[in-house]
Amino acid sequence: EVRLVESGGGLAQPGGSLRLSCAASGFTFSSFSMNWVRQAPGKGLEWVSYISSSTRTIYYADSVKGRFTISRDNAENSLFLQMTSLRAEDTAVYYCSRPLSVSEAFDIWGQGTVVTVSS
Amino acid sequence: EIVMTQSPATLSVSPGERATLSCRASQSVGSKLAWYQQKPGQAPRLLMFGASTRATGLPVRFSGGGSETEFILTISSLQSEDFAVYYCQQYSKWPRTFGGGTKVELK
Repeated sequence: EVRLVESGGGLAQPGGSLRLSCAASGFTFSSFSMNWVRQAPGKGLEWVSYISSSTRTIYYADSVKGRFTISRDNAENSLFLQMTSLRAEDTAVYYCSRPLSVSEAFDIWGQGTVVTVSS
Repeated sequence: EIVMTQSPATLSVSPGERATLSCRASQSVGSKLAWYQQKPGQAPRLLMFGASTRATGLPVRFSGGGSETEFILTISSLQSEDFAVYYCQQYSKWPRTFGGGTKVELK
């Protein structure tokens, strides 16, 4: 079964840091690019970051550029999102997502991990 | 950034009726348009990619169309399990962008 499982969410103070993880199973992780997408409470979906299969190409949303860092460990089938200088507006459910093999639409999604930034 | 605009924000439909959802892009995305369904407390689910290709296992009552800047998602005969929020997303350019969503609710 193809599966993505996020972890690492929790409560952080403004200006603090958190590191999210996404464990992949059931497919050849090293062959796929990966994305992080977030959803603030009661709001829509916002793409956050992309990393290519080889890590050669990385993109960020302007809202997180310079504060978040995406990375991956293909040997461990894991995706990461290091979040620093957290703000209240970073409060959201964070999903990792894998695209289709034939398209860049987001096919497989994890269940999400909740990040709350509050003092 | 490509802005995706969905309409209407809320669609009230009776079971068995047809639902038509619209999505407009601020510039051409070709056919690089996906639709997702999200139910409360769940992750989004891919419905359609390439504007009109159904994801694996999607019932044929769902159809997608359009290109460039205007897209539609049609549910031909709404079932109880179809009441949800629907998002369009372009994957033509970075950053990837989503529409604000259309909530399909029970009339």
